[in-house]
Amino acid sequence: EAQVTQNPRYLITVTGKKLTVTCSQNMNHEYMSWYRQDPGLGLRQIYYSMNVEVTDKGDVPEGYKVSRKEKRNFPLILESPSPNQTSLYFCASRTGVNEQFFGPGTRLTVL
Amino acid sequence: AQKVTQAQTEISVVEKEDVTLDCVYETRDTTYYLFWYKQPPSGELVFLIRRNSFDEQNEISGRYSWNFQKSTSSFNFTITASQVVDSAVYFCALSEWGGGYNKLIFGAGTRLAVHP
Repeated sequence: EAQVTQNPRYLITVTGKKLTVTCSQNMNHEYMSWYRQDPGLGLRQIYYSMNVEVTDKGDVPEGYKVSRKEKRNFPLILESPSPNQTSLYFCASRTGVNEQFFGPGTRLTVL
Repeated sequence: AQKVTQAQTEISVVEKEDVTLDCVYETRDTTYYLFWYKQPPSGELVFLIRRNSFDEQNEISGRYSWNFQKSTSSFNFTITASQVVDSAVYFCALSEWGGGYNKLIFGAGTRLAVHP
């Protein structure tokens, strides 16, 4: 089944404790992105990647890092999480100009 | 600057009513794509439709229909004979050629509640 998976789905952590949210797709898509969803703001792009080893900032990259060492994986790293990074996070992938396929979301709470 | 506005924050209807969700966008590109996504209470994002800027034909898919009007920069979504299962947050989104189609610019979403 074609899908984008994310782990963990739920995470509660404390300020400053490094964490990684994994994202994997099995559709051989070139493009992958991370978004965060906040009430009243819709979804905003954090980072995106056009292919292996090619990444770039989206609209809200501060406090986040990403890497793309393999085509299928695109982890999101929070080196020192803060409460304002409490949000719902979505990973997405696409090929060409087709629609983005979204993962199930990761709900992160930073205390 | 590119922007997507969904002015309706919440809509409440009774089952079988028709409902239209508005979407107005801003872009300087002549080549772009518009999307609608549904987010049910379970939280996942479900793709509904993609429309490119050169195709202004309206589209119907079952109880769903979309009205794309470049003259008013709108891409409205109508649900006919709404059902409780239509209760969700609906997002309109824009992807631009100038941005390499590398991101979706989302509206804030419209929460639709369909009551029995």
